[in-house]
Amino acid sequence: KQEVTQIPAALSVPEGENLVLNCSFTDSAIYNLQWFRQDPGKGLTSLLLIQSSQREQTSGRLNASLDKSSGRSTLYIAASQPGDSATYLCAVRYSNYQLIWGAGTKLIIKP
Amino acid sequence: GAVVSQHPSWVICKSGTSVKIECRSLDFQATTMFWYRQFPKQSLMLMATSNEGSKATYEQGVEKDKFLINHASLTLSTLTVTSAHPEDSSFYICSAAEGLSSYNEQFFGPGTRLTVL
Repeated sequence: KQEVTQIPAALSVPEGENLVLNCSFTDSAIYNLQWFRQDPGKGLTSLLLIQSSQREQTSGRLNASLDKSSGRSTLYIAASQPGDSATYLCAVRYSNYQLIWGAGTKLIIKP
Repeated sequence: GAVVSQHPSWVICKSGTSVKIECRSLDFQATTMFWYRQFPKQSLMLMATSNEGSKATYEQGVEKDKFLINHASLTLSTLTVTSAHPEDSSFYICSAAEGLSSYNEQFFGPGTRLTVL
């Protein structure tokens, strides 16, 4: 069964710290992996998309890595800001179009 | 980038009534559209996949007679929640993909919050 797990479920850190969010998946035959953020009561914002042939993607203060062999991806956020507070979701795409979602990590950045 | 809109953004209705949610691709032709629902503090769950001009494919456990999906054009899909009940209260999100290839990226709408009283 294809499953995606995100650890931790919640994280609270002081402003300015660097942090890492984790995503693991049981089936390594992925097509791509995507990180999203979701603000309370709102839709999804796509952050980074990593194809299966890539090892990492960077956008601003965000860096996502992918290790298919170990079934893991990490989202690194540098110099965190209060505006980064949101729920971060990881979704894995397999060749059948289906996105398998993690339950998310709720991130709180304390000023 | 590709834009997907949803309407309404939120809706409150009485139990037993039907509610229609629209999903539109604004600047591309969405051959395939997806409907997800998200309960509080839970992740998104795929409800159904629809290809333009065809019947939707529903995920296991999703009642097709309760959640009617129409994908009549390449830019519009609708989800109708029939005879809504309080347990249908949820956040509904649609996404759209261009083309029939399973490798095409999905673009997500902003979501619709449904509250059934």
